[in-house]
Amino acid sequence: AQKVTQAQTEISVVEKEDVTLDCVYETRDTTYYLFWYKQPPSGELVFLIRRNSFDEQNEISGRYSWNFQKSTSSFNFTITASQVVDSAVYFCALSEGNYGGATNKLIFGTGTLLAVQP
Amino acid sequence: DTEVTQTPKHLVMGMTNKKSLKCEQHMGHRAMYWYKQKAKKPPELMFVYSYEKLSINESVPSRFSPECPNSSLLNLHLHALQPEDSALYLCASSQGVMSVRGANVLTFGAGSRLTVL
Repeated sequence: AQKVTQAQTEISVVEKEDVTLDCVYETRDTTYYLFWYKQPPSGELVFLIRRNSFDEQNEISGRYSWNFQKSTSSFNFTITASQVVDSAVYFCALSEGNYGGATNKLIFGTGTLLAVQP
Repeated sequence: DTEVTQTPKHLVMGMTNKKSLKCEQHMGHRAMYWYKQKAKKPPELMFVYSYEKLSINESVPSRFSPECPNSSLLNLHLHALQPEDSALYLCASSQGVMSVRGANVLTFGAGSRLTVL
């Protein structure tokens, strides 16, 4: 069965601190896709990154970076020099592959509420 | 501006009312989704439409009735709801449901916040 675990329910940091959000996943498929979405108070889920199971390269986008480690089934997300605008709920999600290709059925983790204090 | 537009943003209805939630996208996406999100919980998939045909129904009660009139529009008709159906209803779209190139990215709307009295 597929499952995504975000053990950190809430994190509070002070502006300019670095913060890492943890994500651990379970799947029996060899082909799968991992996502991070941000949900600010406005409610809209904003796509941040997609990573497939064959690509373990870490990625950096501005202040955001992601560390994908298949050996530990983790896909962690780090925000460097956090800002108040980073305050949101962050969801990690998993989508499995299939014989015909990848499906879009997303399984979300429970989310981590990040509060960045000025 | 979000590329998936949902209306209304807020809806309050009684248990005997009939109302509808609407979702529109103009990105040429051929897959559209309804998710339900309770407070402090992750989104849960309700329905998936692919090329205007219902492809997934996650055992949703019949008091929720989806409709996809065309590839740009998705409706969710609500009838005889219960107070526990109060939630944020999120619409999303993607280029397709399945792809040999990899899982498509879902683009979400801002949601319709429903309160059932």
